[in-house]
Amino acid sequence: SQKIEQNSEALNIQEGKTATLTCNYTNYSPAYLQWYRQDPGRGPVFLLLIRENEKEKRKERLKVTFDTTLKQSLFHITASQPADSATYLCALDMDSNYQLIWGAGTKLIIKP
Amino acid sequence: KAGVTQTPRYLIKTRGQQVTLSCSPISGHRSVSWYQQTPGQGLQFLFEYFSETQRNKGNFPGRFSGRQFSNSRSEMNVSTLELGDSALYLCASRWEGIRNEQFFGPGTRLTVL
Repeated sequence: SQKIEQNSEALNIQEGKTATLTCNYTNYSPAYLQWYRQDPGRGPVFLLLIRENEKEKRKERLKVTFDTTLKQSLFHITASQPADSATYLCALDMDSNYQLIWGAGTKLIIKP
Repeated sequence: KAGVTQTPRYLIKTRGQQVTLSCSPISGHRSVSWYQQTPGQGLQFLFEYFSETQRNKGNFPGRFSGRQFSNSRSEMNVSTLELGDSALYLCASRWEGIRNEQFFGPGTRLTVL
């Protein structure tokens, strides 16, 4: 079955630097991959979606890449700010049913 | 548009009891999914409803059930509660398109004593 790996350890980044989070998966490449942000005690919030045939997607300070050869997606936050501190989740859409497969998330801490 | 709402926000129950959680999706969204989230486990998919029909189901025991009403509001029921059912239960709604983003509610924090 499909598995997703996100770094379980918190990622500490200095304010102003670029934060890079990793989402690795096994087996088949998903048709779509989504990234969400979750703050403590709240539901996840959608950030970006990237399709299988797309290499890169950008939105303001956010950038997502998708490498089907490496079976990996990278999520970048440039010019990071303390307000970017949160847990970031990736989710795979295998295009075979209506169910998303979720990673456990990576906690990002931006230090001022 | 109003966001996804969930009630209650917090709930404390004892083992053996049953509980019903409610979710109101964004107006116009007919798909509602339920998830269980525990520390370190990530989001575990429970089930999805679309137009009052269960379209997909995760790997949870039969104690977990749900339904959807004609106005797309959804309820989730857990019977014979166990300590391990303590978690944040999240509901998410989305538009017709399968690939579209999911909009989550704030969740219901269930504590089983």
